[in-house]
Amino acid sequence: AQTVTQSQPEMSVQEAETVTLSCTYDTSESDYYLFWYKQPPSRQMILVIRQEAYKQQNATENRFSVNFQKAAKSFSLKISDSQLGDAAMYFCAYRMLLSNFGNEKLTFGTGTRLTIIP
Amino acid sequence: NAGVTQTPKFQVLKTGQSMTLQCAQDMNHNSMYWYRQDPGMGLRLIYYSASEGTTDKGEVPNGYNVSRLNKREFSLRLESAAPSQTSVYFCASRGATHNEQFFGPGTRLTVL
Repeated sequence: AQTVTQSQPEMSVQEAETVTLSCTYDTSESDYYLFWYKQPPSRQMILVIRQEAYKQQNATENRFSVNFQKAAKSFSLKISDSQLGDAAMYFCAYRMLLSNFGNEKLTFGTGTRLTIIP
Repeated sequence: NAGVTQTPKFQVLKTGQSMTLQCAQDMNHNSMYWYRQDPGMGLRLIYYSASEGTTDKGEVPNGYNVSRLNKREFSLRLESAAPSQTSVYFCASRGATHNEQFFGPGTRLTVL
């Protein structure tokens, strides 16, 4: 079974600095997707960034980038120039294809709570 | 576009009571999902529906039933609520050409 592990329950960073959140996963598949979701206090799940496993290039979205190491099954999120609005729970997720109709489920890690220090 | 909407936002039930959580999406998505989120854990899949008229069990289906009423709506029913079902419930949807799921705002359910 696929598992997703986030080993840092909490992280903090000074405003304007850079922080990296870790995620590792276990899978026997060769083609899959990985995601980082942000959950602010409002509870809304917001997609931050996604990575296709077949792409060697790391995904980037403005201040957010990933370090995808397929062989090591590692998928870390780097946030540059941290802002107060980045404070949230961050979940790493793995997309697993289900058996019927090509449907899918997301397997989530337990999350990392990020605090931004002014 | 409202995206994915859920009602109610909050609910308190007594053990043994029943209720239905409503979810609707206006993005013409085929697939819809129900997740629960418990403290210290990520979201876990309860049920999903790959298309109108089909539903399948996810990781934690016990104690729940679902109905895919039409393409837009996917409801989650608790027939006899238990304290272990105290959680935050999220509905999500995904279109055929999307690689991401879009989430609703969640329902916080407390069972006393």
